[in-house]
Amino acid sequence: KAGVTQTPRYLIKTRGQQVTLSCSPISGHRSVSWYQQTPGQGLQFLFEYFSETQRNKGNFPGRFSGRQFSNSRSEMNVSTLELGDSALYLCASRVTVNTEAFFGQGTRLTVV
Amino acid sequence: AQSVTQPDIHITVSEGASLELRCNYSYGATPYLFWYVQSPGQGLQLLLKYFSGDTLVQGIKGFEAEFKRSQSSFNLRKPSVHWSDAAEYFCAVGAGTNAGKSTFGDGTTLTVKP
Repeated sequence: KAGVTQTPRYLIKTRGQQVTLSCSPISGHRSVSWYQQTPGQGLQFLFEYFSETQRNKGNFPGRFSGRQFSNSRSEMNVSTLELGDSALYLCASRVTVNTEAFFGQGTRLTVV
Repeated sequence: AQSVTQPDIHITVSEGASLELRCNYSYGATPYLFWYVQSPGQGLQLLLKYFSGDTLVQGIKGFEAEFKRSQSSFNLRKPSVHWSDAAEYFCAVGAGTNAGKSTFGDGTTLTVKP
């Protein structure tokens, strides 16, 4: 069974640009969560989607958005990138909302 | 609000020695508790989980953890550490149908001396 797939693995963007990250969950998993990981702030929850609906949202500005498609694949978008958005963005999938999470390898975003 | 504290930022143990990583949580009801391991530049791998039932849970790679409600703790243990266990370890707490919004501790970095 394939694991959680995140693309791309690495990205370099310029301040002010926007970026879209993709996450394909494990087959049959309907819940997808996104996290931002930085050395200073650790792992911070961004949002969670289940059956194309956002269930939970963390304390991030509106520049951070996401969506989930009918096949459970999810994308997150960050607009007007700032230097502080440089981080490892991790996606996690769950069979349903109250089961354990399986993480992808992450997308390393560098904003210059 | 739920929170997780991992008091030890960095731990060094000798190969073959026993290991205990501490985790304290704050949550108003029965929590869902997790331990994950992360190698540099990689995602997180689930070691074990506690949802309910037996308070001593077994995980992968020889790890176990014990849920102690009275102490709000969920410490991770391994009787004999291998060099390949060197990594960063994260404790997380989730809440039933909000497990997807899990809160993570700041992590403990494990170094294994030969």
